[in-house]
Amino acid sequence: GAVVSQHPSWVICKSGTSVKIECRSLDFQATTMFWYRQFPKQSLMLMATSNEGSKATYEQGVEKDKFLINHASLTLSTLTVTSAHPEDSSFYICSASLPGSYEQYFGPGTRLTVT
Amino acid sequence: QKEVEQNSGPLSVPEGAIASLNCTYSDRVSQSFFWYRQYSGKSPELIMSIYSNGDKEDGRFTAQLNKASQYVSLLIRDSQPSDSATYLCAFHTGGFKTIFGAGTRLFVKA
Repeated sequence: GAVVSQHPSWVICKSGTSVKIECRSLDFQATTMFWYRQFPKQSLMLMATSNEGSKATYEQGVEKDKFLINHASLTLSTLTVTSAHPEDSSFYICSASLPGSYEQYFGPGTRLTVT
Repeated sequence: QKEVEQNSGPLSVPEGAIASLNCTYSDRVSQSFFWYRQYSGKSPELIMSIYSNGDKEDGRFTAQLNKASQYVSLLIRDSQPSDSATYLCAFHTGGFKTIFGAGTRLFVKA
């Protein structure tokens, strides 16, 4: 149980375009989902916490207008990187918690390359 | 600033040995602690949760928690080359937030 999927697993886009990444909890309802970014050989960096039906809470320094998060249902959250630039190239990972639990189950990640 | 501190490693152990990974945390009121394993190029996966002082065993893994010392550890018995990964210590700090350490790289030599 507690399976989280992400799509796509990797994406290449041109500078200035937007990219949408989907995160789904497959076998449970996730009231809270998290979005992380990880650069090579660096630690996880929490970008934002999203709760179903409400606005995401962004971490300090994360541009909410650039990284749009929508948690439209109990099983789906999306992250849209708008006007992507090469410095946005990274490994984006979502996670979800079971209701009432603080354990996080991670999706397989999306590797974004902006050219 | 709430933090988790881990030795970045690499920690190198021979196959079959016990690997000991340690972590200290700054939040005295935290009640929930986690160990995640992350293989290179992959996302983290939860391997252990611990909420009470003492030991918790799951197969070859034992998590140890000492809240008075703000210390949590992970022991891996009979280490295998497939255990080679980065191990992330994390604690829940209130609300929806979990703080992750930077991880300890473990290398198990065949």
